[in-house]
Amino acid sequence: GAVVSQHPSWVICKSGTSVKIECRSLDFQATTMFWYRQFPKQSLMLMATSNEGSKATYEQGVEKDKFLINHASLTLSTLTVTSAHPEDSSFYICSAKAGDTQYFGPGTRLTVL
Amino acid sequence: LAKTTQPISMDSYEGQEVNITCSHNNIATNDYITWYQQFPSQGPRFIIQGYKTKVTNEVASLFIPADRKSSTLSLPRVSLSDTAVYYCLVAPASGGSYIPTFGRGTSLIVHP
Repeated sequence: GAVVSQHPSWVICKSGTSVKIECRSLDFQATTMFWYRQFPKQSLMLMATSNEGSKATYEQGVEKDKFLINHASLTLSTLTVTSAHPEDSSFYICSAKAGDTQYFGPGTRLTVL
Repeated sequence: LAKTTQPISMDSYEGQEVNITCSHNNIATNDYITWYQQFPSQGPRFIIQGYKTKVTNEVASLFIPADRKSSTLSLPRVSLSDTAVYYCLVAPASGGSYIPTFGRGTSLIVHP
């Protein structure tokens, strides 16, 4: 199957700082990538759809100025959590479509102190 | 958007066959059904995908009735390592509005 990578796999930062998470499709091109957030014992919550060369589409309730998404190439999308606060601590997962199927990255654990 | 409903949890024993059913009553004509497995602190892993009837691969089978309002993931002879959360995702393969929204998933626990 298609491979999606994320970097970093985990990050710890101080409150008020910004953190960037990278999502790469390693063996295919993805015009569309997705960003999810998952809290403990809960399902994945779709945050936004990242479209190559255009603005991301955010789901209701997700602050676009706080979660900046850039999809500058067909293999890379980035999520930047700006001015992070402890409540932003979560597991962030990206995915990309290869043909008819969505493949997921391994996730990034963000802890904001 | 097709909403999915799955049992919250299931228990099984090693060597048994496990069937997990997902209900998706308002599935659209161009929607595909995809099942994923997720372990703690990992991203979901693709298991199987289908549109209608039966699909089988090396790890699972997917049964979809003619009305496509439900689907059943079948895991043959489960082992302890199959303990995980399983999600069904219903979304269009291409075109249309693709908003891949997950339901609550089914937590499968396999006992020795």
